[in-house]
Amino acid sequence: KQEVTQIPAALSVPEGENLVLNCSFTDSAIYNLQWFRQDPGKGLTSLLLIQSSQREQTSGRLNASLDKSSGRSTLYIAASQPGDSATYLCAVTHSGYSTLTFGKGTMLLVSP
Amino acid sequence: DAMVIQNPRYQVTQFGKPVTLSCSQTLNHNVMYWYQQKSSQAPKLLFHYYDKDFNNEADTPDNFQSRRPNTSFCFLDIRSPGLGDAAMYLCATSREAHYTFGSGTRLTVV
Repeated sequence: KQEVTQIPAALSVPEGENLVLNCSFTDSAIYNLQWFRQDPGKGLTSLLLIQSSQREQTSGRLNASLDKSSGRSTLYIAASQPGDSATYLCAVTHSGYSTLTFGKGTMLLVSP
Repeated sequence: DAMVIQNPRYQVTQFGKPVTLSCSQTLNHNVMYWYQQKSSQAPKLLFHYYDKDFNNEADTPDNFQSRRPNTSFCFLDIRSPGLGDAAMYLCATSREAHYTFGSGTRLTVV
């Protein structure tokens, strides 16, 4: 059974810092990995999707990398801003038709 | 804008009183999902539909049921809510690995 772990569970940084969020998964036979953002009391917003054949994806200040063989992904946030404060979740699928398996998320607080 | 809409945003129900949560989509995605998310926990899949094909997760309690009368709508029925069912319920749709989530319904059981 696939298990997804995210470290740290919570992170507090001052504005402007570059930071890294970590995600690991136990079964490396994944189809893709996604990073989502969740604001308090809200639904999830997709940030980045990495197919299993890809090594990384970038969107603005966000960069996600994937090392399938070691079962790891990182989300890099450059020049963090208070508006980045949210919970970040990673999730994996095992095929084009399988469902998402989520980690518990990393709660990020960026202080002005 | 195409989107996934969940109603209501907040639902308070009495212990044991049946409750229905609703979800609608304008994306015309063929797959729809219901997730349960408790505080500081990962979203847990309850059900999903691939078109009209219903898929029930093995550990979803019998107390939870779902209906999808057409492509646009999906409902989550909780027959006899217990205190442990208090959670955020998230509806989502997908097409080719691209997921769209609704804003969720926060269920409180009193």
